[in-house]
Amino acid sequence: DAGITQSPRHKVTETGTPVTLRCHQTENHRYMYWYRQDPGHGLRLIHYSYGVKDTDKGEVSDGYSVSRSKTEDFLLTLESATSSQTSVYFCAISDDRLTGGYTFGSGTRLTVV
Amino acid sequence: QKEVEQNSGPLSVPEGAIASLNCTYSDRGSQSFFWYRQYSGKSPELIMFIYSNGDKEDGRFTAQLNKASQYVSLLIRDSQPSDSATYLCAFEVGGFKTIFGAGTRLFVKA
Repeated sequence: DAGITQSPRHKVTETGTPVTLRCHQTENHRYMYWYRQDPGHGLRLIHYSYGVKDTDKGEVSDGYSVSRSKTEDFLLTLESATSSQTSVYFCAISDDRLTGGYTFGSGTRLTVV
Repeated sequence: QKEVEQNSGPLSVPEGAIASLNCTYSDRGSQSFFWYRQYSGKSPELIMFIYSNGDKEDGRFTAQLNKASQYVSLLIRDSQPSDSATYLCAFEVGGFKTIFGAGTRLFVKA
């Protein structure tokens, strides 16, 4: 999607290894989000940011941490990957969450073996 | 626990028919409601936003909101095979967050 990119697009990693996913935006939006999407569960919020260095937990934050040192970058880290973290991860950005909705990145498909 | 309920489908309609997608939500304080479309293997994209009771129309799409019943729906008129996708309902819950439903799969048969 224009203005928001995620990297990598695909990753296979081993159980117990750390993994970092990157979200980069060029829209200068204040709000950034990390969601995971699993069959039957829809999109579930992991962590979100409402400004540089301002982050908070979502509904499924255990095993994940985030950092936002610049407006444009929001990093999601799996400290020690587990098979239950195999999922598709989406980053989203928003300038006005009440009326503008979200713009999503293309997603990262992560497989933990 | 704030929740969004959607019928997972699949909902199958013939080409040219009206597709009706429904969603209920649990948070009476929510102000903003959204519909996203997600094609298989792709990311969700915003197609409709509504915050007032009643109907909002945009092209072939109409969103309907009834806050008293905590119900929001999406109507797609003159359905096309290209409308075949999963439709996600979402609502804002305050604290900078939005909750998404699991989505309804729609198939439009040519």
